[in-house]
Amino acid sequence: NAGVTQTPKFRILKIGQSMTLQCTQDMNHNYMYWYRQDPGMGLKLIYYSVGAGITDKGEVPNGYNVSRSTTEDFPLRLELAAPSQTSVYFCASRYLGGAGTGELFFGEGSRLTVL
Amino acid sequence: SQELEQSPQSLIVQEGKNLTINCTSSKTLYGLYWYKQKYGEGLIFLMMLQKGGEEKSHEKITAKLDEKKQQSSLHITASQPSHAGIYLCGAANTGNQFYFGTGTSLTVIP
Repeated sequence: NAGVTQTPKFRILKIGQSMTLQCTQDMNHNYMYWYRQDPGMGLKLIYYSVGAGITDKGEVPNGYNVSRSTTEDFPLRLELAAPSQTSVYFCASRYLGGAGTGELFFGEGSRLTVL
Repeated sequence: SQELEQSPQSLIVQEGKNLTINCTSSKTLYGLYWYKQKYGEGLIFLMMLQKGGEEKSHEKITAKLDEKKQQSSLHITASQPSHAGIYLCGAANTGNQFYFGTGTSLTVIP
């Protein structure tokens, strides 16, 4: 299993440009999350999804959009990029409902710079 | 929203020393997760605590959950340079959101 795969790993955007961060998981997890991590800080929740077709806002959703058309994919869309969106973005997934611990599995992160 | 406050914010210790990181929740904990992040990399799951008074160990790392105080502590015995990184506590709330603490940066000096 590949786990959680994020692309791209690095990207530089100009102010006002748009882009999509891709996230795919092959573990059949029902929950998926997007976080951003600024230097020296913890993770802030942007959006999350509890299943295909269901998404909801986290702590810092402004300037972002998501969709969850399939169980596997949870892309994050940045519209009109701003310097404040310069950050490292992490996608994560978890399975709730079984006997496991329900821990989050993380992708390797996508480092985005907006100039 | 649920807030998780970690202390200390950063820690520098000599190799071989013991250390403790604390995580305090503003709301009732239904489960507390500990993660480690190496600088510039993704997060690695360490352990999960669910029951009050529960204690778990992974190699030289021990975590405890004090449910009444809504706190958890992570203790590292005889620290090694491989323990260096950022330690994060995380928890889910009743709304299915999963929050992380402010993080503790650990440096171990050989």
